Amino acid sequence: GESVGLHLPTLSVQEGDNSIINCAYSNSASDYFIWYKQESGKGPQFIIDIRSNMDKRQGQRVTVLLNKTVKHLSLQIAATQPGDSAVYFCAENVYGGSQGNLIFGKGTKLSVKP
Amino acid sequence: NAGVMQNPRHLVRRRGQEARLRCSPMKGHSHVYWYRQLPEEGLKFMVYLQKENIIDESGMPKERFSAEFPKEGPSILRIQQVVRGDSAAYFCASSPLKRGYEQFFGPGTRLTVL
Repeated sequence: GESVGLHLPTLSVQEGDNSIINCAYSNSASDYFIWYKQESGKGPQFIIDIRSNMDKRQGQRVTVLLNKTVKHLSLQIAATQPGDSAVYFCAENVYGGSQGNLIFGKGTKLSVKP
Repeated sequence: NAGVMQNPRHLVRRRGQEARLRCSPMKGHSHVYWYRQLPEEGLKFMVYLQKENIIDESGMPKERFSAEFPKEGPSILRIQQVVRGDSAAYFCASSPLKRGYEQFFGPGTRLTVL
């Protein structure tokens, strides 16, 4: 796998390796976070979410880690496949706030080499 | 259960014309959100609506843009007197509950202003 710094726009990994995509969020009051996958020409697709009372949540081949101390979120994809190639966005929401909108990060483009 | 539907998928307008973008939320969802995405960027929140109510329009330009979600029918995002800078992908999302968690996105409308 390959760990990238924050806000790098692209990540290239070999098929079968693990991928780690990082995201920094800005609002200390944010208490709900989502990772979305967006393929070319399509809308964002929900991958996994986590609430601020958790540090880690696992799904199928994906894990989200939340570090509230440094306001950092990461998405780990195990055994990356060509179908994982897409742009990945983190989004934050202040659950319980009056606003329903999500605040999206800039996104990381993941390319999987066969 | 059909997902969020948007039409048209592609819309071409000349400067000064009007653009109307439609969004039908998922069945059972009464909350709709509109986002705009410029090329190579994340999604930016525009407006959040419930049936017959605008809840939050803090992300929408003050002029030329309006949105509605009538009691019957789809939500409409209307852009009057379009300019080239309005060219973007416009995404609609819906959720069953307020505060925005688990928003499900439509495929988007790609607006091109000539």
